[in-house]
This record gives sequence, C-alpha cells and structure tokens, in this order.
Amino acid sequence: QVQLHQSGPGLVRPSQTLSLTCAISGDSVSSNTAAWNWIRQSPSRGLEWLGRTYYRSKWFNNYALSVKSRISINPDTSTNQISLQLNSVTPEDTAVYYCAREGSRETLGNWGQGTLVTVSS
Amino acid sequence: QSVLTQPPSTSGAPGQTVTISCSGSSSNIGSNTVNWYQHLPGTAPKLLIYSNNQRPSGVPDRFSGSKSGTSVSLAISGLQSEDEADYYCAVWDDSLNGRVFGGGTKLTVL
Repeated sequence: QVQLHQSGPGLVRPSQTLSLTCAISGDSVSSNTAAWNWIRQSPSRGLEWLGRTYYRSKWFNNYALSVKSRISINPDTSTNQISLQLNSVTPEDTAVYYCAREGSRETLGNWGQGTLVTVSS
Repeated sequence: QSVLTQPPSTSGAPGQTVTISCSGSSSNIGSNTVNWYQHLPGTAPKLLIYSNNQRPSGVPDRFSGSKSGTSVSLAISGLQSEDEADYYCAVWDDSLNGRVFGGGTKLTVL
C-alpha cells in the first residue's frame, strides 16, 4: 500500500523559498508506471496543480504555467522522496500543499496528509 | 479563472439526485479522459471517478460520470449528508502540457 508523508515548515516569509518534502513508502520514486505530483488548495483558488516529476528511462518534469518560473520538483532516489521548492513566495502562495501519486489513467489515487503553508512576515 | 468551468455551488435534499457539470475545450476534455475528486474539509482529496465514468473500488454506485464532447458531468443519486463536500473535475490539457482542475463545486445537502 502506497503511503505519502509530507514534511516542511508551515510559515515562510515573503520573497523567501517554500520547501517541502514527500516521503514515499510502498512504491519507488523511480517507478516506470507512476508520476509524483504537487497540488495546492486554497479557499480562493480551489485545487491547483503545480507540477510533477516521473521516470521513464530518464527523468521528466511538467510544471503549471502559473508557477513555472518559480518552481522546482526533484526526486531523491537515495531517500525515495520528492521535494518541492517554490521561490519568491507572496501571500498568494498561502495554501494547503499536497503531494500525490499519479497512477494509471492519470489518476491521483494516493495523497499526502497535506501541509498548511502560510506566507507572512 | 479556471480552464475548466464548474458551477460554484449546488444543493439537494437527502435522497435526491444532483448533477455537477464541468465544461472544457478540445485541448483538454475533448481529447483526454476526466477524473473527479471529492474533497472534504481537513482531509486529502479522494478519487471518485476516473476515465470519465469508472468508479474505483469502494466508491458507491450512487456516483456516476458521463462525457459528451467537451463537457463531463458527475451525478450523485440518493443524496446523503456525508456527500456534502467540494467536487473537482481534472484532466490533462495538451495545449498547456499540464493537468488542470475545475474551479470546484460546493455541494450542500439540505
């Protein structure tokens, strides 16, 4: 059974970098049949897909246009984790952040517990 | 402004049927399959429908999905109080080369 456990700070100062990690158990970050996504949720914007990383003989990334200039999602095969870095944050980036495993048919079937990140000075 | 358009809210009495629509375009719904997610406050979203109309194991058959052209719908029959949640459609957009979510529909059970 796949489980995802998120960690990272709940408060980030404006203009700083938001960093979160997602530890994977029950699957491999290097799986050829899965992709690893980050999604956020806020009352004003609902669910917003941020990006994903996946391995198909080499590593690939896709990012949402809204954050493409500020985001980086990286796998760590030594710890079987993925990380999210979002640079130059503003209060608009305040949200609950989730990591999620994408399986067949593009389904997001396994989710992390969510991390509330507040951007405030 | 989401690429996928959902009504912000809907409501129904227990036992009734409600339908939630999700409208897109040829680059997303028109060319890819759609998944639906149920989001209860304080919990992670849950996959409700995949490939337009398939239910994962454990999802009651009160939930059903359909697709026509560039629109999809989620129907919930025999409405129950525990169905009160936010519902989101999601699909890959070929033009954006990314996944998009609808704006979400808040279901209230009266």
